[in-house]
Amino acid sequence: DAGVIQSPRHEVTEMGQEVTLRCKPISGHDYLFWYRQTMMRGLELLIYFNNNVPIDDSGMPEDRFSAKMPNASFSTLKIQPSEPRDSAVYFCASGSSSIYYEQFFGPGTRLTVL
Amino acid sequence: RKEVEQDPGPFNVPEGATVAFNCTYSNSASQSFFWYRQDCRKEPKLLMSVYSSGNEDGRFTAQLNRASQYISLLIRDSKLSDSATYLCVVNVEGGTASKLTFGTGTRLQVTL
Repeated sequence: DAGVIQSPRHEVTEMGQEVTLRCKPISGHDYLFWYRQTMMRGLELLIYFNNNVPIDDSGMPEDRFSAKMPNASFSTLKIQPSEPRDSAVYFCASGSSSIYYEQFFGPGTRLTVL
Repeated sequence: RKEVEQDPGPFNVPEGATVAFNCTYSNSASQSFFWYRQDCRKEPKLLMSVYSSGNEDGRFTAQLNRASQYISLLIRDSKLSDSATYLCVVNVEGGTASKLTFGTGTRLQVTL
């Protein structure tokens, strides 16, 4: 059974460019989470969805960040325009209301903004 | 004050040693508690839940002190393969699969 799938695994872009990160959650999971991890701040929750509906986006740093979940099997996190301080590892995780609390993480996207 | 605080380490211990990590959380309404493990350049994975009465899984023992808002993880007979970062995780809101708050992690290096 495939786990959470993220693409791309690595992204290098220049400041000002648009970046789109993609996530496919585990089939049957009804929760999807986007996290950002840096050495300084650790793992931060950006936004999460339940049944494709955004529930809490209070962690989204600013209007340059947006996330969508058009269906149960796909989500995107977009940064436009990107800035060097956005450089981090972005993780997507999924969870199920029938699996108490465990979140399953994807391998992450390592983003570098020059 | 951070919601979940951990000593970043690193803890350098010889193989076979016993090592303990601590974690404190700020919100007394926190409902559930976990330890996740993250290997270098990999994703976090659930290690174990932490129950009020304390719980054990092989060489790993987790304990919770609600009065002091303190969580601990004890690893006995450390193995080289235990080298990783251990993340203390708290669920404040209750319910299933909902919002988790992660500590910044404690790094463990087990040596020969």
